[in-house]
Amino acid sequence: NAGVMQNPRHLVRRRGQEARLRCSPMKGHSHVYWYRQLPEEGLKFMVYLQKENIIDESGMPKERFSAEFPKEGPSILRIQQVVRGDSAAYFCASSTGGARNSPLHFGNGTRLTVT
Amino acid sequence: TQLLEQSPQFLSIQEGENLTVYCNSSSVFSSLQWYRQEPGEGPVLLVTVVTGGEVKKLKRLTFQFGDARKDSSLHITAAQPGDTGLYLCAGARASNTGKLIFGQGTTLQVKP
Repeated sequence: NAGVMQNPRHLVRRRGQEARLRCSPMKGHSHVYWYRQLPEEGLKFMVYLQKENIIDESGMPKERFSAEFPKEGPSILRIQQVVRGDSAAYFCASSTGGARNSPLHFGNGTRLTVT
Repeated sequence: TQLLEQSPQFLSIQEGENLTVYCNSSSVFSSLQWYRQEPGEGPVLLVTVVTGGEVKKLKRLTFQFGDARKDSSLHITAAQPGDTGLYLCAGARASNTGKLIFGQGTTLQVKP
């Protein structure tokens, strides 16, 4: 049973370009979370999605950032017009239910570098 | 403002020593999880505690959830170099939509 798959592992973008980060949850998991991490820091919550629905996007910047989890295919975190401050590791996690009752399984992240 | 405060943030010890990492909050959590993260990888779940006062053991690791469900601790006995990593506590609140809130982490280095 494959774990949470994130791609690409590393992504380099110039300022102003778009970054698209993909996350395929574990089989049978319908809940997806995106987190952002700076070096040697904890994870900052960005968005929580179920299939075709955004449940909580309270951690996501209002501008330039968007996320989706379509009925078919991976979840996508999209960052438009990237700036240097967007450089970070972005982690996706999936679960069978909300985090109160279901453990999260994390992917190995996408490291975004904005030059 | 950090909802979950971890201490210490950095810890460097010799192999064989004991250590305790703390995770504190002024908020009540319905459950609390501990993760370990190695460089270049995602966090891996170590344990989930849900009942106030609960104690769980995982080999040389002992996890405790405070009686009021506002704090937790991780104690490692006879630390090994393989224990080196970033330890993260994370809590889920009953009032939340179901998201997990993370502390800022404790970086542990165990020297041989």
